[in-house]
Amino acid sequence: DADVTQTPRNRITKTGKRIMLECSQTKGHDRMYWYRQDPGLGLRLIYYSFDVKDINKGEISDGYSVSRQAQAKFSLSLESAIPNQTALYFCATSDAAGTVAGELFFGEGSRLTVL
Amino acid sequence: SQQGEEDPQALSIQEGENATMNCSYKTSINNLQWYRQNSGRGLVHLILIRSNEREKHSGRLRVTLDTSKKSSSLLITASRAADTASYFCASNNSGGYQKVTFGTGTKLQVIP
Repeated sequence: DADVTQTPRNRITKTGKRIMLECSQTKGHDRMYWYRQDPGLGLRLIYYSFDVKDINKGEISDGYSVSRQAQAKFSLSLESAIPNQTALYFCATSDAAGTVAGELFFGEGSRLTVL
Repeated sequence: SQQGEEDPQALSIQEGENATMNCSYKTSINNLQWYRQNSGRGLVHLILIRSNEREKHSGRLRVTLDTSKKSSSLLITASRAADTASYFCASNNSGGYQKVTFGTGTKLQVIP
């Protein structure tokens, strides 16, 4: 089984619908991240969480919300999806401490299409 | 805004040749990391180089870091068709929180 699992892997939805992307990990890491990838733009950070009581906005948090249900689970929600949120979304984890980042472990991605 | 910019955006080489990718970043860093992504898949960590290191090797990979120029390079020696993928640099900015900012990537094609 994958260490970082994302569901769903693919989703097509309509404008205005609420969508939740889920991420679970078996690595025991405290730090979890949500990134979005668009062609030619690399990965951009949406939200990150250093533990279950800590949630922080990234570069592009507008239109998104997150929930850290447990150490192992970090969900990303689009309350009212719009077409420019069509992208490939990645969850990642890290076991680094302090302010220095270490290796990130990525899920396989969730491809979201908003019509 | 993107912290890292990579050059070239795309690179096509013959199997057995070396591939060099460059990354520039904007602010001071704790470390810089390189990741690989096969088409549409998750990113896989390749190597991390700390700000006080100048060169690091891992198998056929060689990474250099020049903090005075705010740049890094990834060299893949004796490339193989299986190296075909996109490669991203990711910088960990010093100061503040633990943030890793990705570049726009280099798409490498290795022709058998």
